[in-house]
Amino acid sequence: NAGVTQTPKFRVLKTGQSMTLLCAQDMNHEYMYWYRQDPGMGLRLIHYSVGEGTTAKGEVPDGYNVSRLKKQNFLLGLESAAPSQTSVYFCASSLVGGAGGYTFGSGTRLTVV
Amino acid sequence: GENVEQHPSTLSVQEGDSAVIKCTYSDSASNYFPWYKQELGKRPQLIIDIRSNVGEKKDQRIAVTLNKTAKHFSLHITETQPEDSAVYFCAASKSGGSNYKLTFGKGTLLTVNP
Repeated sequence: NAGVTQTPKFRVLKTGQSMTLLCAQDMNHEYMYWYRQDPGMGLRLIHYSVGEGTTAKGEVPDGYNVSRLKKQNFLLGLESAAPSQTSVYFCASSLVGGAGGYTFGSGTRLTVV
Repeated sequence: GENVEQHPSTLSVQEGDSAVIKCTYSDSASNYFPWYKQELGKRPQLIIDIRSNVGEKKDQRIAVTLNKTAKHFSLHITETQPEDSAVYFCAASKSGGSNYKLTFGKGTLLTVNP
C-alpha cells in the first residue's frame, strides 16, 4: 500500500514549456486534489476531482489543466509554463472529501526559468 | 466561501514549554477541523482533528479545542520537543451538500529550541 505517489519529484522547465505531473493513489479514494505551496501563502487549491471523469476549479486554476480518466490517477498539466508557476505541488486524496482527512503525496518541486 | 485565519505565523519556544496555535473560521456551518504537521521538505500529515460535536480532543501531548460560538479552534502542544519543530496548518470544512474540500490556514512555523 503506497498511499499517494507523485511523479516527478523535481523538475526544471523553461518558460513556455509544457509538462504533466502525475498523482496516483491506491486507497480507492473518490476525492483527489492538487495544491500548490508557496512561502507565506499556505496551501492553495488548484483543481480537484470528486470522482472518475470529474474535475472542478479551485482557488488558483489559471494556467493549469487536469484530468481524471481513471479513479486512481489525477494528472495536472501546465500547457505553457511561467516563472509564477515555480512552486511545490502537492497532490492529496480523501475517502470522504472535505469531511475527512487528506492523505498527501510527497510533493513535486517545480522551477520555471 | 470559508476563510481560515491562523496565528501566529511563527512561534519559538524552549524545549519543555507549551505551544498554542490559534485559528478562526468564517463559515458557521463548518464542522470538521483537522490539523496538519509538515516537517521541512516533507508532506503535510494529519496529526489530530475535531468535529463540531466535541469541544476538546487529546492525543498524548497534543490537544485541540473548539469554540463554535466564537468560531475558533486551537492546537495545544505540551512538553515540546525539538522534533515538534515544523509548520502546522489548521483547516476547516463542512460535511454534506456540495462541499468537497478543506480550506487551510497559512501555517505556523514552530521552532523548539533545545
